[in-house]
Amino acid sequence: GNSVTQMEGPVTLSEEAFLTINCTYTATGYPSLFWYVQYPGEGLQLLLKATKADDKGSNKGFEATYRKETTSFHLEKGSVQVSDSAVYFCALNNFNKFYFGSGTKLNVKP
Amino acid sequence: NAGVTQTPKFRILKIGQSMTLQCTQDMNHNYMYWYRQDPGMGLKLIYYSVGAGITDKGEVPNGYNVSRSTTEDFPLRLELAAPSQTSVYFCASSYTPEGPNEQYFGPGTRLTVT
Repeated sequence: GNSVTQMEGPVTLSEEAFLTINCTYTATGYPSLFWYVQYPGEGLQLLLKATKADDKGSNKGFEATYRKETTSFHLEKGSVQVSDSAVYFCALNNFNKFYFGSGTKLNVKP
Repeated sequence: NAGVTQTPKFRILKIGQSMTLQCTQDMNHNYMYWYRQDPGMGLKLIYYSVGAGITDKGEVPNGYNVSRSTTEDFPLRLELAAPSQTSVYFCASSYTPEGPNEQYFGPGTRLTVT
C-alpha cells in the first residue's frame, strides 16, 4: 500500500539553526512527492515537490531530494527564521490519490 | 482567480443536526477532495471526486455524503451530526491527467458538534 511516515514533533530550534524533518514513504509504482506547510489557522500550502528519483525540490530556502533507494524525501533548510514556524506535512501522490504524513510542528525561537 | 473557497468558516452544531459544507473552485480542476483534520493529526480523506457526476469514498466516509453536479462545486453533507465529527474540514482540488498534480487547499471550516 501507500503511506507516509514523518518524524514526530514538535521540533524547537533557535533562529538561524539548521533544519531537517525526516520523511519516508511506502508506495507502489512511481509516486510524486510533496512538502506542504500549514500556518496557524490556515489551509495547507504547497512548499515544494519532486516528480522522480534524484529530483530536488526547492522553495524559500527549503530543499528536499527524492531518494528512491532509501524511499525518503527529507526536508532541509540551512537557516530557519521565526516566520518558518508552522506545521509541515510530507505527502505522496500515487494514481491521483494523496497520502499525507501526520505533520511535524516546527517552533523557531528568536 | 479565487482558487478554492469554503463556507462557512466556523459552525457549531447540536447533536443530530445536519448541515452542508460548501466548496467551490474556479481553476477548472477535475479532481476534488474532502479531508478532515483532527487536533494534532494529519489529514484523513473523507470523499473525493474525479469529475462531475463521479464520487468515491476515502478513508473515513461514514456519516458524510457528497455530490458533484458541476466541475466547480463539491459540497459535503453531514446528516446526523455527532461529537466525533468535531474537526477542521478542508476541501482541495487538483488538475490531472498527467504529471505531478499538486493539490490546492481551501482555508478550512472549523466545525464543533456539542
